[in-house]
Amino acid sequence: EVQLVESGGGLVQPGGSLRLSCAASGFTFSNYWMSWVRQAPAKGLEWVANINQDGSGISYLDSVKGRFTLSRDNAKNSLYLQMNSLRAEDTAVYYCAAWSYSSAWYFDLWGRGTLVTVSS
Amino acid sequence: DIQMTQSPSSLSASVGDRVTITCRASQDISSSLNWYQQRPGKAPKLLIYATSSSQSGVPSRFSGSGSGTDFTLTISSLQPEDFATYYCQQSSSTPETFGGGTKVEIK
Repeated sequence: EVQLVESGGGLVQPGGSLRLSCAASGFTFSNYWMSWVRQAPAKGLEWVANINQDGSGISYLDSVKGRFTLSRDNAKNSLYLQMNSLRAEDTAVYYCAAWSYSSAWYFDLWGRGTLVTVSS
Repeated sequence: DIQMTQSPSSLSASVGDRVTITCRASQDISSSLNWYQQRPGKAPKLLIYATSSSQSGVPSRFSGSGSGTDFTLTISSLQPEDFATYYCQQSSSTPETFGGGTKVEIK
């Protein structure tokens, strides 16, 4: 079965750190650009970061630059998001998503998400 | 950054109604516009990519159109399972921004 499964979310104090993981299965992970997208409670979707197939190209949302680090391990079919200096406004469900391309780029595979709560 | 503006932010409709949701980009994005459906507590699901191409398995009542800055998602005959929130997304440039969402509720 083709799927993405996120883990690593939880409750953390402001200023703390968390590392999210996304395990891919059922497809050739190393062929895909990957992303994290987040959704604050009762809010819309917000793109967070992209990484290309070999990890040499990474881009971030301005508000997370310098605090979040995106990486991947193609041998383990896994994507990671190291989140440091967390703020209350980082509270959200974080989704792992895979890009595909056909005339335009689009997310055609999403995980179920993992909840990150930043609160004292 | 490209801003995506969806309208309306919510609507009430009945089963069988024709529903239209619009999405406007703050600059020309050619045909790099996608639509997602999100049911409560679930992950988003791709409906339409590249403005008008339907994802495999998506019912034919969903269609997309537009180009440049103005885009439309149409549900030709609303079904009970279509009550959800719909998001547009531009993939013309990073950050790949989403619209604010349109919540489709039962009248």
